[in-house]
Amino acid sequence: GAVVSQHPSWVICKSGTSVKIECRSLDFQATTMFWYRQFPKQSLMLMATSNEGSKATYEQGVEKDKFLINHASLTLSTLTVTSAHPEDSSFYICSVRPGAKKDTQYFGPGTRLTVL
Amino acid sequence: KNEVEQSPQNLTAQEGEFITINCSYSVGISALHWLQQHPGGGIVSLFMLSSGKKKHGRLIATINIQEKHSSLHITASHPRDSAVYICAVLSRGGADGLTFGKGTHLIIQP
Repeated sequence: GAVVSQHPSWVICKSGTSVKIECRSLDFQATTMFWYRQFPKQSLMLMATSNEGSKATYEQGVEKDKFLINHASLTLSTLTVTSAHPEDSSFYICSVRPGAKKDTQYFGPGTRLTVL
Repeated sequence: KNEVEQSPQNLTAQEGEFITINCSYSVGISALHWLQQHPGGGIVSLFMLSSGKKKHGRLIATINIQEKHSSLHITASHPRDSAVYICAVLSRGGADGLTFGKGTHLIIQP
């Protein structure tokens, strides 16, 4: 069965609105979750590392005020795309790293965001 | 230059053929992942390697740490194997997140 879930699986929103994407670890507690983004015909790119109980670590070029990450519990991380623009349209995927296996990541099914 | 290079970018083969996808990387790594992405976008982790060889069903993955190279093989390929196969590395001592190749788009024709 699925180890990681994401919600919603797809979302269409108007420019200027905010969208929240949830990533849940179903089988284990995860102190670390990752958020990736994939533009059409491009490879996945790491956006940020979400750490339970502390601030997320953002990759260079990713605006932390635009992509708000909250990792409030050991099983849930949320990514909020604030004031979304059409260029934010992308496929957003989270992954979860079990605490005991630092080389392992389990991926969520992804969320396709379309901003009109 | 991307830290992770995959070849070929696109591959079309006939059902039953033996498939090889290659991945080269330029950094020291602690692990390498092979992932499968279907048209809907969801990603499935196939293998995680830090040395040697792993086999799961018709899939085989190998890695040569000295040469910074890994291969994914599919034996007796089937149309349901059609997908994008992605190589990703976890840098040793670097960022915790994975660095991905651009993927190999595989089509197996009946």
